[in-house]
Amino acid sequence: QSALTQPRSVSGSPGQSVTISCTGTISDVGAYNYVSWYQQFPGKVPKLMIHDVNKRPSGVPDRFSGSKSGNTASLTISGLQAEDEADYYCCSYAGSYTPYVFGTGTKVTVL
Amino acid sequence: QLQFQESGPGQVKPSETLSLTCSVSGGSISSSTYNWGWIRQPPGKGLEWIGGVYYSGAAYYNPSLRSRVTISIGTSKKQFSLRLSSVTAADTAVYYCGRLSNYNYYMDVWGKGTTVTVSS
Repeated sequence: QSALTQPRSVSGSPGQSVTISCTGTISDVGAYNYVSWYQQFPGKVPKLMIHDVNKRPSGVPDRFSGSKSGNTASLTISGLQAEDEADYYCCSYAGSYTPYVFGTGTKVTVL
Repeated sequence: QLQFQESGPGQVKPSETLSLTCSVSGGSISSSTYNWGWIRQPPGKGLEWIGGVYYSGAAYYNPSLRSRVTISIGTSKKQFSLRLSSVTAADTAVYYCGRLSNYNYYMDVWGKGTTVTVSS
């Protein structure tokens, strides 16, 4: 099972919106609505930001939203803030044999 | 508040077995809603799921590591462990333990992580 494909980096100015794509296949992202997203600051523990494609855990700001179309999931950060500068990883269920497949990771830079 | 803490040797020699323990506090691992897993991150690289274990003791693994990995529940029921045999430098990573959703496939509670270096 190959890693999901994410852009290496995306950037935006404060207040703008950025979208991170996560491209998989018909066997993972395209087959199940179990896509999650994690935020990770350098040297820190990953934090769950989105699960089940578009559900936010308690405490996650509503400027973070998730969606999916076909084999591609997306994380959108609206109203970008300096504190959002971090690495972001997607993850998808890929069936009982390989339940978790992570994305390659995207660095978000706030200009 | 449920918390996890990884522990174990920070350095392992090539070809030996890496052993880590995840201690759970502030809650119980006897759950029908969650299972307990391990994820690792090599230096400067992305996340890789290793495997998980249910309270019943049934475990499931990343196919790429299956031949070398064992995850089990501790006898105290407040710990679970990871064993990875025949390690190489490629197994050098930060190892995280945490709580995995049984039905929705995400890790919502993470330990602080522990760095394991494979070196002679």
